[in-house]
Amino acid sequence: QQQVKQSPQSLIVQKGGISIINCAYENTAFDYFPWYQQFPGKGPALLIAIRPDVSEKKEGRFTISFNKSAKQFSLHIMDSQPGDSATYFCAARLANFGNEKLTFGTGTRLTIIP
Amino acid sequence: NAGVTQTPKFQVLKTGQSMTLQCAQDMNHNSMYWYRQDPGMGLRLIYYSASEGTTDKGEVPNGYNVSRLNKREFSLRLESAAPSQTSVYFCASSEGEGSNEQFFGPGTRLTVL
Repeated sequence: QQQVKQSPQSLIVQKGGISIINCAYENTAFDYFPWYQQFPGKGPALLIAIRPDVSEKKEGRFTISFNKSAKQFSLHIMDSQPGDSATYFCAARLANFGNEKLTFGTGTRLTIIP
Repeated sequence: NAGVTQTPKFQVLKTGQSMTLQCAQDMNHNSMYWYRQDPGMGLRLIYYSASEGTTDKGEVPNGYNVSRLNKREFSLRLESAAPSQTSVYFCASSEGEGSNEQFFGPGTRLTVL
């Protein structure tokens, strides 16, 4: 049973455009929602994260929008650059102190074209 | 500070062979994790260790065993490899106890023929 659904599976955006990746979750006990970025041949690395008591978080060109009532959150990449080409994973963590398990989405392969 | 290291980087096994994937972290983290990554499936948790001396099953533990050798090291063993275990395996660590970020190693690409 997939608890975090991610779309689209792949995305092509022109340089300078806005990239948007969406995730939806089912379990309302999730308390932390990170996005990980993965370049080919590398392990994932934390990009940005949000807690459900905040509707938006921005770090540079990267923004998470969070809709608690709809159980959805999305990653927006403004002014997308070729260096942003990577696979992006959303994730969610259950609120259980001492248990830091993350449930990941299936990933979105983002390609930024010149 | 190397972060999370994994060995080997690549491995080819025949069905039925056994092997151990090694993982070590030098960040003094309490928690460690093993994931597998398959196309279209994202990252799935195999086993995790919340602290030295403890291990627990994740989402896909069948066919695997783990050992938390000490605080630094967390190994993953395939006793009798199957083609379905062909995957990229990632080890990760985190401070634990309410910390958020997991730090990932570079991965091991395993092919089982």
